[in-house]
Parts: sequence; structure tokens; C-alpha cells
Amino acid sequence: GENVEQHPSTLSVQEGDSAVIKCTYSDSASNYFPWYKQELGKGPQLIIDIRSNVGEKKDQRIAVTLNKTAKHFSLHITETQPEDSAVYFCAASRNTGNQFYFGTGTSLTVIP
Amino acid sequence: SQTIHQWPATLVQPVGSPLSLECTVEGTSNPNLYWYRQAAGRGLQLLFYSVGIGQISSEVPQNLSASRPQDRQFILSSKKLLLSDSGFYLCAWGRGGSGYTFGSGTRLTVV
Repeated sequence: GENVEQHPSTLSVQEGDSAVIKCTYSDSASNYFPWYKQELGKGPQLIIDIRSNVGEKKDQRIAVTLNKTAKHFSLHITETQPEDSAVYFCAASRNTGNQFYFGTGTSLTVIP
Repeated sequence: SQTIHQWPATLVQPVGSPLSLECTVEGTSNPNLYWYRQAAGRGLQLLFYSVGIGQISSEVPQNLSASRPQDRQFILSSKKLLLSDSGFYLCAWGRGGSGYTFGSGTRLTVV
């Protein structure tokens, strides 16, 4: 089965700096990679995703990159703000699959 | 638009009592439905998923069970709760090739 590893487990950055979270996956057939943000006491929310036919996707201050050869993908948050503080999860799945395989999460703290 | 409802938001139950958590989805048909548990505020552990009415797949042996009596209803149950069943329970729906949508979660404390 798929194995998704996520690093770092905790990350602290100064407001305005960039944050990068990295994930690796093991199943070369995985072709869909979403990222979730979970605020304290709430369910995770999808913030950005990328499919295997694309190397990079950007949405305002958030971007995701994918390297299929190396089987890793990353979340980039620029100009971080205190409201970006949350736990972030990466995940991997197949288009035809019924399951997502989640990373273990990264707790991001943006220091004002 | 699709929405997912999960209740209750918080629950405190004594050891040995039964449990029933309900999740319903609106605005879509034949969704895949999932129950996750999150302990210590971090990792997401898949407990059960269902691809259709009456079809339940269990990921880990445990004190819990799940049922899908209707297309858009998913229920998580236990006959007798253990202390170790405490945690944050999340329902989600999705389809292959697209992201999950999670419910708002239920904080279960077994005392």
C-alpha cells in the first residue's frame, strides 16, 4: 500500500517569512495530492491540490510542487500570517482509488 | 452545493456505555464515506470507509463498528466504550480523484 511521510512535524516561522512542508510517497501509481489545513478543534479543510500531470500549482500565497520522479511534493506558503497557524496534512491517492493516505501532519506556528 | 453534517460536536460518555455518532451528506449521491479518528490532535487514523449502502470496510480491529443504512448516512457505533476510545472523530465524504470534505468533528471523552 501507499506510505506518505511528512516533514517537519513542527515548524515555527516569523510573520512574513515563507514556510515549506515536504511529503514523500511510495506508490508510483498515486496521481492526486491534496493538502489540508486543520485549525484547532475543527475538521481539516482542503486548501490546494495537484494532479500528476502538473508540476506546480499556485493559489495566491499558497503553492504546491510535485516531483513524480522523486515521488515527493511540497507545500509553500509565502508571506505567512498568524492566521496560517494550523496543522497541515498532505495526502496521496489514485484517481480510481477509494482511499487517501495522509501524512502525519505539520504543526505550523507563525510568530507575529 | 455539497454539505456534510456531523453530530454531536462534543460528547462525554462513561466507560462501558454505548456510542452512536451520525454523519449525513447533502447535495450528492453515492459518495464514498469515511470515519477517521484523531488522537492527541495530530495524525488521522482511518477507521472505516464505505463505497455504498451496506458496504463497510474496516481498517483496524477495534471496539467500534460502522453502518451505512442509507446512501448519505454513515453511523459509527460501539456497544461498550473503552477509555482508549477517547479522541476526535471525523466523518468525510469523497470520490476517487477528488479531495475529501470533512465534517466538523466530534470530540469524544470517555470517563
